[in-house]
Amino acid sequence: AQTVTQSQPEMSVQEAETVTLSCTYDTSESDYYLFWYKQPPSRQMILVIRQEAYKQQNATENRFSVNFQKAAKSFSLKISDSQLGDAAMYFCAYRSARNYGGSQGNLIFGKGTKLSVKP
Amino acid sequence: KAGVTQTPRYLIKTRGQQVTLSCSPISGHRSVSWYQQTPGQGLQFLFEYFSETQRNKGNFPGRFSGRQFSNSRSEMNVSTLELGDSALYLCASSSQTGFSGANVLTFGAGSRLTVL
Repeated sequence: AQTVTQSQPEMSVQEAETVTLSCTYDTSESDYYLFWYKQPPSRQMILVIRQEAYKQQNATENRFSVNFQKAAKSFSLKISDSQLGDAAMYFCAYRSARNYGGSQGNLIFGKGTKLSVKP
Repeated sequence: KAGVTQTPRYLIKTRGQQVTLSCSPISGHRSVSWYQQTPGQGLQFLFEYFSETQRNKGNFPGRFSGRQFSNSRSEMNVSTLELGDSALYLCASSSQTGFSGANVLTFGAGSRLTVL
């Protein structure tokens, strides 16, 4: 079974600085998708960034980028120029690319990292 | 475009009761998934529906059930509530028209269930 591990329960960053959140996963599959979701106090999960395992190029979305190391099964999120609005829980998630009888497959989440941003 | 709407946002029940939660997906989205979020277990997959059919189910007891209607709206039901069922229940929809693990899930704000 696949697992996702986020080893940093809490992180803190100064406004305008850069922070990196760690995520490792375990899988025997070669084709899969990885996601970072953000959950602010409002509770709504918001997709931050997505990475396809077959792509070597790291995904980037504005101030958010990932460092995807497939061999090491590592998928870290870098937030540049941190803003107060970035404060939230961040969840790393895995989804298999296998077709489970027509199902798109469920997301497997890590336990999350609580990010605080200091003004 | 309206997002994923979940009702009610908050509810309190007592042990032994049952509860029904509702989820209206984004217009045009036909796939709806449910997740349970607790401090101890984190986010766990409950089930997924597509075109009124359950396509996938997580490892939860039979007290947890769901259904999807022809308009893609979904409900989940928990019977004989236990204290451990206290959680945030999140619904997510996607525009899945065929299989693709890349389909992005859009989540609702959740229904916070407290069981006393």
